[in-house]
Amino acid sequence: GQQVMQIPQYQHVQEGEDFTTYCNSSTTLSNIQWYKQRPGGHPVFLIQLVKSGEVKKQKRLTFQFGEAKKNSSLHITATQTTDVGTYFCAGSHNNNDMRFGAGTRLTVKP
Amino acid sequence: EAGVTQSPTHLIKTRGQQATLRCSPISGHTSVYWYQQALGLGLQFLLWYDEGEERNRGNFPPRFSGRQFPNYSSELNVNALELEDSALYLCASSPTSGATNEQFFGPGTRLTVL
Repeated sequence: GQQVMQIPQYQHVQEGEDFTTYCNSSTTLSNIQWYKQRPGGHPVFLIQLVKSGEVKKQKRLTFQFGEAKKNSSLHITATQTTDVGTYFCAGSHNNNDMRFGAGTRLTVKP
Repeated sequence: EAGVTQSPTHLIKTRGQQATLRCSPISGHTSVYWYQQALGLGLQFLLWYDEGEERNRGNFPPRFSGRQFPNYSSELNVNALELEDSALYLCASSPTSGATNEQFFGPGTRLTVL
């Protein structure tokens, strides 16, 4: 079935360090979305990428969609303790339902 | 505007029993999605309903079923519960059909099977 792979599974950083999570699909995606789930909370939508090679920024967060629309990344510059949580990518094939990656759990040491 | 609501918050059942979980989408949203999130794991897609019809289902056995009502609220039923069904069940809604809309998640129902 349709699968979206996400790495790494865990990432522990010192506050101020950068963080990146990667998402890959074996087939072309229609679009990709990123969500953040705080500990004990539910996923919250961050952003959607649709165009090949698209790059979007939200303050310290940079989202990229690959040229082939098969991969994506989320990069956080100078992490803060408020960035703690699990980051999920979710990809859609042919505009059908979204399939979520396994998530990357980020912990930040003050 | 009220968000997605789910009930109950917690549900404890024993093996072999049946569980019913409920979801009310954001007003005006027609699509409802169900996900299973086992402890420490990602979101596994269960079911997608739109306009009262099942649009797609994930790789789960038939004992996982559901429906969407005319008011777009939804129910997830899990029959013949097994221990590994213990998980957080998340419901999400989106404004229209298709995967180009962001999904708004509810707080989830924590199902424990003893």
